[in-house]
Amino acid sequence: KQEVTQIPAALSVPEGENLVLNCSFTDSAIYNLQWFRQDPGKGLTSLLLIQSSQREQTSGRLNASLDKSSGRSTLYIAASQPGDSATYLCAVFTGTASKLTFGTGTRLQVTL
Amino acid sequence: NAGVTQTPKFQVLKTGQSMTLQCAQDMNHNSMYWYRQDPGMGLRLIYYSASEGTTDKGEVPNGYNVSRLNKREFSLRLESAAPSQTSVYFCASSEYPGPNSPLHFGNGTRLTVT
Repeated sequence: KQEVTQIPAALSVPEGENLVLNCSFTDSAIYNLQWFRQDPGKGLTSLLLIQSSQREQTSGRLNASLDKSSGRSTLYIAASQPGDSATYLCAVFTGTASKLTFGTGTRLQVTL
Repeated sequence: NAGVTQTPKFQVLKTGQSMTLQCAQDMNHNSMYWYRQDPGMGLRLIYYSASEGTTDKGEVPNGYNVSRLNKREFSLRLESAAPSQTSVYFCASSEYPGPNSPLHFGNGTRLTVT
C-alpha cells in the first residue's frame, strides 16, 4: 500500500529565505507526482506535476524534483514571500492501484 | 468561470440525520470525485465517477452514496450521519480519469456531526 509522508508538518521562515519541502513515498511504481497548495478554508490548487520519467519541473519561483528510485521529491521555493504562506501537499499516482495518494501536508508560514 | 462549486460551505448535523452535498463543475470535465480531509490524514477518496453514468467506490465509501446527475453535477449523500463523518469534504473534477489529467478542486464543505 502506497504511503506518502511529508516532513516537517509545519515550518516558519522569514521573508526572503529559500526553502525546501520534502515528500517521500513507499512504492516507486508511480506514474507521476504532484504538488498542491491549499489556502485556509479553500480547496487544493495544482502547482507542479512531474511525470515518472522526469527529474524536475519548474514554475516561476517553484522547482520540484523527483527521485523515483529513492522515493523522494522536494519542492524548492526561492525568495519566499508572505503570500507563499499556505499548506503544501504532495500526491503520487500509483500505477498498480491506479489511484492518487496524498500526503498530510506541510504548513508553511513566511513572516515579515 | 466558477470551476468547481460546492454547496453548502458549512453544515451541522445531529447523529442519524441525512443530507446531500452538492457539486457542480462548468469545465465540461468527464470525471468527478469526492474526497474527505481529516486532521493528520491525507485526502481520502470516497467515490468517483469516471464518466457520466458511472460511479465507483474509492478508499472509504462506507456510509455514503453518490449520484452523477448529469455531466456537470455529482452529489454525495449521507443517509444516517455519524460523528466519524465529521470532516471537510472536497469535490474535484478532471477532464479524463487517470494520471495525466489534473484535478480541479472546489472550496470544500465543512461538516460537523454531533
